[in-house]
Amino acid sequence: SQQGEEDPQALSIQEGENATMNCSYKTSINNLQWYRQNSGRGLVHLILIRSNEREKHSGRLRVTLDTSKKSSSLLITASRAADTASYFCATDGGSNYKLTFGKGTLLTVNP
Amino acid sequence: DAGVIQSPRHEVTEMGQEVTLRCKPISGHNSLFWYRQTMMRGLELLIYFNNNVPIDDSGMPEDRFSAKMPNASFSTLKIQPSEPRDSAVYFCASIDSLASEAFFGQGTRLTVV
Repeated sequence: SQQGEEDPQALSIQEGENATMNCSYKTSINNLQWYRQNSGRGLVHLILIRSNEREKHSGRLRVTLDTSKKSSSLLITASRAADTASYFCATDGGSNYKLTFGKGTLLTVNP
Repeated sequence: DAGVIQSPRHEVTEMGQEVTLRCKPISGHNSLFWYRQTMMRGLELLIYFNNNVPIDDSGMPEDRFSAKMPNASFSTLKIQPSEPRDSAVYFCASIDSLASEAFFGQGTRLTVV
C-alpha cells in the first residue's frame, strides 16, 4: 500500500490563485519530499523537508510538516498555467529508507 | 551527467513474451529504485537496491518479475512471461545517498497485448 496519500485527488484553479495540496502518511519518516510530474514524463523533485523541520520555502513553494499529525502540505503561490501537473508526496519509511509515493494530486491551472 | 537513462522508451510485446527493461543510474549514486505507474494503482515501488544489493523486493508483484543490478551503472527489470495486466509505465530512479532527493528516468511505457 502507498505510504503517503494526497488530497485532493484533483484541483482546478485560475492563474494567479494559490494551490494547496495535502499529504498524510502512516509511519515514521526521516524526511518528506514533494515531486511534480508532467504528463508522460518522469517525476521531478521539488522540495525536501526533514522530520525536524516545520516549514520550508523554495521560490513560490511553501511546504509544512506536522509529524504529530503525520501530515504535510504543499502551497504553490501565484500559480501559472505552466504549474499544471500532478504533484506527489514521498516518504522514506524511517529506518529503512524505502521511498514510497502517494497517488498524487492533479493540479490544473486555467489561464 | 545525462541523468537516469532508461531503455527502451516504449515496448509493445505479445502476452507470454519476455520483456527486459534497462536502467543506467546517475554515476556515483548508491541507491536505485524501480517503480510501476498505472492509473488504478498509482506509483508502486517494486524493488530497491543499495550499493547494488537488493534491499526490499516486497513490491515485486509475483515470481514473473525479477530485477538485477550487476554493477553500479546498470540495472534490469525482467518480466517473464509477460501478461496484459503488466501494461504500465515503469520508472527507474537513483539517489546519491539515502534520505535525499531521487532522480527519475523518463520511463518505459510497456504495452502487453
